[in-house]
Amino acid sequence: DTGVSQNPRHKITKRGQNVTFRCDPISEHNRLYWYRQTLGQGPEFLTYFQNEAQLEKSRLLSDRFSAERPKGSFSTLEIQRTEQGDSAMYLCASSLVLASETQYFGPGTRLLVL
Amino acid sequence: AQSVSQHNHHVILSEAASLELGCNYSYGGTVNLFWYVQYPGQHLQLLLKYFSGDPLVKGIKGFEAEFIKSKFSFNLRKPSVQWSDTAEYFCAVKPGAGSYQLTFGKGTKLSVIP
Repeated sequence: DTGVSQNPRHKITKRGQNVTFRCDPISEHNRLYWYRQTLGQGPEFLTYFQNEAQLEKSRLLSDRFSAERPKGSFSTLEIQRTEQGDSAMYLCASSLVLASETQYFGPGTRLLVL
Repeated sequence: AQSVSQHNHHVILSEAASLELGCNYSYGGTVNLFWYVQYPGQHLQLLLKYFSGDPLVKGIKGFEAEFIKSKFSFNLRKPSVQWSDTAEYFCAVKPGAGSYQLTFGKGTKLSVIP
């Protein structure tokens, strides 16, 4: 397994700009998750997909956030009209549907909104 | 909704000391429990997990955790820490059914002094 990969690893943007992050899950993992982590906090769940279907979304996921997984493989997370409060580490995780399912995390994309 | 409380924000130990990190969760139903570790500059990695069966769970690198249902606790232990255990440790809970989102605690930073 090559692990979960995320791109870019770092992103600096100005307030009001749109940004898009990509996550490539572990091959054959059919569940994919997005989390956000701010300083001093644990990761907070944003949304998850099973194959291409988005099945659960957090209240944290405002209208400015949209996630897709069009072919059930990689996923993108877009933030429109970024705000300074969006500055955080955005983590992606993937898992295989099993009785003792484990989520494997990627390295994250660190976003800084100026 | 479930929540996780980690009692210690920062723990400092000398090498060979014993470690116990507290984790309490609130959720009324069946839960799956996890400890993740994040070494400096690295991504979140699974240390151990509990789904069912023996409440004493052994993980990697000599770590273990005990699920005490009556106390809603899942404390992490290691009899003798090493400098290489310096990291941030996160406890997480997932409902046993109906949701796949992990809820994390705020994390405990462990510093091991050689």
